Amino acid sequence: GAGVSQTPSNKVTEKGKYVELRCDPISGHTALYWYRQSLGQGPEFLIYFQGTGAADDSGLPNDRFFAVRPEGSVSTLKIQRTERGDSAVYLCASSNSGLAGSDTQYFGPGTRLTVL
Amino acid sequence: AQKVTQAQTEISVVEKEDVTLDCVYETRDTTYYLFWYKQPPSGELVFLIRRNSFDEQNEISGRYSWNFQKSTSSFNFTITASQVVDSAVYFCALIPHRGSTLGRLYFGRGTQLTVWP
Repeated sequence: GAGVSQTPSNKVTEKGKYVELRCDPISGHTALYWYRQSLGQGPEFLIYFQGTGAADDSGLPNDRFFAVRPEGSVSTLKIQRTERGDSAVYLCASSNSGLAGSDTQYFGPGTRLTVL
Repeated sequence: AQKVTQAQTEISVVEKEDVTLDCVYETRDTTYYLFWYKQPPSGELVFLIRRNSFDEQNEISGRYSWNFQKSTSSFNFTITASQVVDSAVYFCALIPHRGSTLGRLYFGRGTQLTVWP
């Protein structure tokens, strides 16, 4: 079956601009996660959705970052007033339920964001 | 606090050699889950294995094997008879079973494995 998909695969923007990154999870998966991966580092947690609601958004670095999942499927990560330090690969993952916390998270290919 | 340490930043081996990737974790939770992921040059994280803290049995899957030792808080990964296609960055990760952080994966910094022909 289809895995997690993310669009765009690459995004180049200028400092100060607004960007949206999209994630389409595996069909039927109720839990969705966003992570950010900087060069040479492991992924770092940003936010976790259970259905339509954010169950844990404590990883969002500041109020320029916001994510939504209005229908419990596709999610959009929104970054306002981008800064050069936001440049990274943004990874999305989904899991079957997330309720047990132990569900395996399946990752998408990521969106590489470059802020000039 | 939750922490995963992968002390080996880079490892290079020649094809057919065995190689072990180390992972040491820290958590105060008695229930937790450990994972290994592979990240090939294409960038997508590929799930390899999940273990819970109550199951210390070692596991073997083809050329891959995992050694989980709670006494040393380690979850090491061995590739037997390595192949060029094994070249990738390998991440060890932890999910503690507590309400506030349920579902959040804590990753190590990864180990870059290069297998030369």
